[in-house]
Amino acid sequence: NAGVTQTPKFQVLKTGQSMTLQCAQDMNHNSMYWYRQDPGMGLRLIYYSASEGTTDKGEVPNGYNVSRLNKREFSLRLESAAPSQTSVYFCAAQGGMDYGYTFGSGTRLTVV
Amino acid sequence: GENVEQHPSTLSVQEGDSAVIKCTYSDSASNYFPWYKQELGKRPQLIIDIRSNVGEKKDQRIAVTLNKTAKHFSLHITETQPEDSAVYFCAASPSGGSYIPTFGRGTSLIVHP
Repeated sequence: NAGVTQTPKFQVLKTGQSMTLQCAQDMNHNSMYWYRQDPGMGLRLIYYSASEGTTDKGEVPNGYNVSRLNKREFSLRLESAAPSQTSVYFCAAQGGMDYGYTFGSGTRLTVV
Repeated sequence: GENVEQHPSTLSVQEGDSAVIKCTYSDSASNYFPWYKQELGKRPQLIIDIRSNVGEKKDQRIAVTLNKTAKHFSLHITETQPEDSAVYFCAASPSGGSYIPTFGRGTSLIVHP
């Protein structure tokens, strides 16, 4: 089992370009999450999906949109990339309350 | 909302020493406390967790303790090895609502051979 798969692993964008980060899980978990990780800031929640068909904002949603395409897939879209969105992005899945996250391998995004 | 404070931000030890990382939380409704290890350039991985009905949990060289009254929990690593070098994150999850955990800002543990 792959667990949580993220693509791409690396991406360089120019300011104003758009892109979609893909995430898929094969664990049949209901909940999926998108985090960004910046030096000294820990993990900050962008958006989450508690179950198929629902999405909610996290701590830092501005500049992002998400789609829970089905139970397996949860994508993150940057409509108009800004240098402040340079970060490492992690997708995660969770089986329910009282269970830890399984993280994807991350996407290192640079916006120039 | 929940607030999780993690200390120290950096911890340097000699191989074989013990390491302790401490976290405090503010929301008494939190009842699930996982710890994640993130090696350089890798994803965070769950290494141990504890639920509010338990005071201590051990797994080989790592242990976690929880004091619900004082609202703090700690990660203990004994007989540290160079491969323990990583950033460690604590988190606290509430018992209701969306169960979204609040993470600490991380502790960079460096184990010197």
